[in-house]
Amino acid sequence: QKEVEQNSGPLSVPEGAIASLNCTYSDRGSQSFFWYRQYSGKSPELIMFIYSNGDKEDGRFTAQLNKASQYVSLLIRDSQPSDSATYLCAVNPRGISGNTPLVFGKGTRLSVIA
Amino acid sequence: EAGVTQSPTHLIKTRGQQATLRCSPISGHTSVYWYQQALGLGLQFLLWYDEGEERNRGNFPPRFSGRQFPNYSSELNVNALELEDSALYLCASTGRVGTEAFFGQGTRLTVV
Repeated sequence: QKEVEQNSGPLSVPEGAIASLNCTYSDRGSQSFFWYRQYSGKSPELIMFIYSNGDKEDGRFTAQLNKASQYVSLLIRDSQPSDSATYLCAVNPRGISGNTPLVFGKGTRLSVIA
Repeated sequence: EAGVTQSPTHLIKTRGQQATLRCSPISGHTSVYWYQQALGLGLQFLLWYDEGEERNRGNFPPRFSGRQFPNYSSELNVNALELEDSALYLCASTGRVGTEAFFGQGTRLTVV
């Protein structure tokens, strides 16, 4: 059973602070990793993807991947109240070679306090 | 470029009826995933179609079924609806398997 684990939260941070969201996965052969943001009652929106070890930055967002530790994180700098949402970590266990679908964590609820 | 589109947006059915949900992927995408998200819960994987074939299905009863058409659009059918089938049903499409998936706006199914 391929698993993706996230702390359900809520994670509360003050406006302007850095929010750090973490995710661990069970399949060591996993190839691609994604972060989605989901507002209440809406569908998930892709905000970052990362395929290689290290950091990937896009605006206020940084995704970090450590395959040896089976750990992926998302940092949100200068957090805004509009960032308040549930953040879903998703993992593709075997990339293009497998028949295992994209696996989602249950999500971490982030609350940015003004 | 149009994103993933799902129809209908809302659907109300009576217990025991059948529901049909539709999904059109992003142009050029050949892979379609279906997920169920009950209120306040995480995404539960239902079905995955790629190039017209069912690649995998989640731990759901056989009354949940679907298909993918030659134009890569997809249909999810739920037979003998039960109250607990009430949920947001999400479709996502990808191009090459393993690459990023994009979601439609979802179909909110209510079974009464």
